[in-house]
Amino acid sequence: DAGVTQSPTHLIKTRGQHVTLRCSPISGHKSVSWYQQVLGQGPQFIFQYYEKEERGRGNFPDRFSARQFPNYSSELNVNALLLGDSALYLCASSGQENTIYFGEGSWLTVV
Amino acid sequence: QKEVEQDPGPLSVPEGAIVSLNCTYSNSAFQYFMWYRQYSRKGPELLMYTYSSGNKEDGRFTAQVDKSSKYISLFIRDSQPSDSATYLCAMSPNDYKLSFGAGTTVTVRA
Repeated sequence: DAGVTQSPTHLIKTRGQHVTLRCSPISGHKSVSWYQQVLGQGPQFIFQYYEKEERGRGNFPDRFSARQFPNYSSELNVNALLLGDSALYLCASSGQENTIYFGEGSWLTVV
Repeated sequence: QKEVEQDPGPLSVPEGAIVSLNCTYSNSAFQYFMWYRQYSRKGPELLMYTYSSGNKEDGRFTAQVDKSSKYISLFIRDSQPSDSATYLCAMSPNDYKLSFGAGTTVTVRA
C-alpha cells in the first residue's frame, strides 16, 4: 500500500510569490493534516481537514490556507511568501485507529 | 515555557547500548503519545503509539507514559548504527493536532 504522498519534493520560490503543495493520504484515510518543520525544530501544526471540513488550525497567518477534495487529497497554499516560510512542509493522514502517518514532505526554499 | 520539552542532545552511544530518550509536557489534556524517527531530510516515521498511561513494547522499542508526572520515555535496546536519527516525541489531546518536542539527535557508533 502506498503511504502518504506529497508533491513537489523540492521547490524554490521568490519572496512575494505563491506556492501550492499537494498531498494524497493513505488509502482509506479521511483525515489530512499539514505541519511546518523549520530546521532544528519539531513540526508545527498548521491545519487539519476531515471529510473536507476544516477541523483545526494552528497559529499561522491568513496567508496560509488549505482545502481537501472529495477524494480526500489536499492542497496547502501559501501566499505572499516570506523568507521565514522556508521549511519542510509535512502532510499527515490518519484513519480510525488514531495513528498519524507522515509523508516525506515538500522542501520549500524562499529566496 | 514550551508545551513539550525534549533534550536536543546530541546523544552518542556505542553499538549494542540502550538508548534512553524522554520528554516532559505541561498540558494535562494530552492523552495520545507517539514517538517518531526522522532521518536527515526525510519525513517522520511512526515508531510507537500509546494511549493514556502505561508501557508498550514492540521489538527493540519500549515506550512508557507516566501521566501523573507528565513524562514519557522511549528505550531502544541493542542499538544499531541504522538507529542513528532524530527522535521526536509527539502528543495530543485528540486524534489529530500533535504537539512535538524539538527532537533528540542520536548517533550509534559501530
